[in-house]
Amino acid sequence: AQTVTQSQPEMSVQEAETVTLSCTYDTSESDYYLFWYKQPPSRQMILVIRQEAYKQQNATENRFSVNFQKAAKSFSLKISDSQLGDAAMYFCAYRRFANAGKSTFGDGTTLTVKP
Amino acid sequence: DTAVSQTPKYLVTQMGNDKSIKCEQNLGHDTMYWYKQDSKKFLKIMFSYNNKELIINETVPNRFSPKSPDKAHLNLHINSLELGDSAVYFCASSHPGEQETQYFGPGTRLLVL
Repeated sequence: AQTVTQSQPEMSVQEAETVTLSCTYDTSESDYYLFWYKQPPSRQMILVIRQEAYKQQNATENRFSVNFQKAAKSFSLKISDSQLGDAAMYFCAYRRFANAGKSTFGDGTTLTVKP
Repeated sequence: DTAVSQTPKYLVTQMGNDKSIKCEQNLGHDTMYWYKQDSKKFLKIMFSYNNKELIINETVPNRFSPKSPDKAHLNLHINSLELGDSAVYFCASSHPGEQETQYFGPGTRLLVL
C-alpha cells in the first residue's frame, strides 16, 4: 500500500523568506503523480503544484517549486518569497498512474508566515 | 462558475438522525470522490465513482451510502449519525486527461450533537 509521510507537522517562515516542506512516499509503482495541495482557513483544497513521476524535470509554478527525487521517493515543496497569504495547511498527495485511482494524502504541514 | 459544489456547507444534527450531502461538478469529469477530514485534519478517501459505478470503497461503516444518479453528481447519505461522524466532508472530481488532478469542493462541515 502506498503511504505518504510529511514529517513536519508545523513550519514557520518570515515573510519574503524561503521555506521547504518535506514529503516522502512509499510505492512499488514506477508511474504515478505527486501533488501539493494548500488548505487555507477557508478549508478549500487548492492545487499548488503537480509532478508526473516519469518527468525528470522539477515542476515550477511561480514562487512554488518542487525537488523531486524519484530514487529517494522524496517530493519537497519550496516556497520562495513567502507571503502572508501562503499561510495554510499543505498536503502532499500520491496518485497512481491509472484512471480513477485513489489518492493517498500525507497528514499535512501547517505553515505560519510571520510578518 | 463553481467547478465542484457541495450542499449544505454546514450541517448540525442530533445523533441517530439521517442526513444527506450533495455534490455536483460541472467540469465534465468521469470520476468523483468523497473524502473525510477529521478534527486532526487527516484526509482520508471514503468512496470513488467512475461513470456512476463504485470503484473504491474504503473501510467505511455501511451507514454511509454514496449514490451517483449521473456522472456529474455524487451524493452521500448517512444513516444513524454518530458523534464520531463529525468532520468535514469533501467531494472531489478528476479526469485522466488532466494528469489525474483532483478538484475539490468547498467541504461540508458536519457536527453531530
